[in-house]
Amino acid sequence: KAGVTQTPRYLIKTRGQQVTLSCSPISGHRSVSWYQQTPGQGLQFLFEYFSETQRNKGNFPGRFSGRQFSNSRSEMNVSTLELGDSALYLCASSPRQGFNGELFFGEGSRLTVL
Amino acid sequence: QQQVKQSPQSLIVQKGGISIINCAYENTAFDYFPWYQQFPGKGPALLIAIRPDVSEKKEGRFTISFNKSAKQFSLHIMDSQPGDSATYFCAASSTNAGKSTFGDGTTLTVKP
Repeated sequence: KAGVTQTPRYLIKTRGQQVTLSCSPISGHRSVSWYQQTPGQGLQFLFEYFSETQRNKGNFPGRFSGRQFSNSRSEMNVSTLELGDSALYLCASSPRQGFNGELFFGEGSRLTVL
Repeated sequence: QQQVKQSPQSLIVQKGGISIINCAYENTAFDYFPWYQQFPGKGPALLIAIRPDVSEKKEGRFTISFNKSAKQFSLHIMDSQPGDSATYFCAASSTNAGKSTFGDGTTLTVKP
């Protein structure tokens, strides 16, 4: 069974640009969550989607947004990039009918903002 | 407000020794407590997890001990091996809210 796939793995952007990250969950998983990982702040929850609906959102500014498609694939977008947005963005999927407390992470998309 | 406190920040253990990582949480709404292992360049991988109605869970060399009244839980790695060298994160999950709150991580180094 294929794991969670995230693209792109690495990207470099400049301040003010926007970026879109993609995530394909494990087959059959319908819950997709996004986390930001930085050395200073650790793993911070961004949002969780289930059946194309955002069910919960973390404490991030409105520049961070996401969506989920009918095939459970998800994208997140960051607009007007800032230097502090440099981080590893992790997507995770969860089995069964929704989030059950267990997360299966992809390898992440490492974003560098110059 | 940090809801999950993890200690120590780093840990060095000799091969064959026991590694112990502790976590404490505040929110009683958490209903699932997983641990994750992360190697450099990889995403965190689910290692072992426990529900709050269980005091201990063992899987191979990994054991979670859970103290509901103290709101604390810990990971014990028995017979630690150099291949266990990684960063370990505890988490407290709220299945209703659809989110997990992570500790800051513990970098474990197992010396051969």
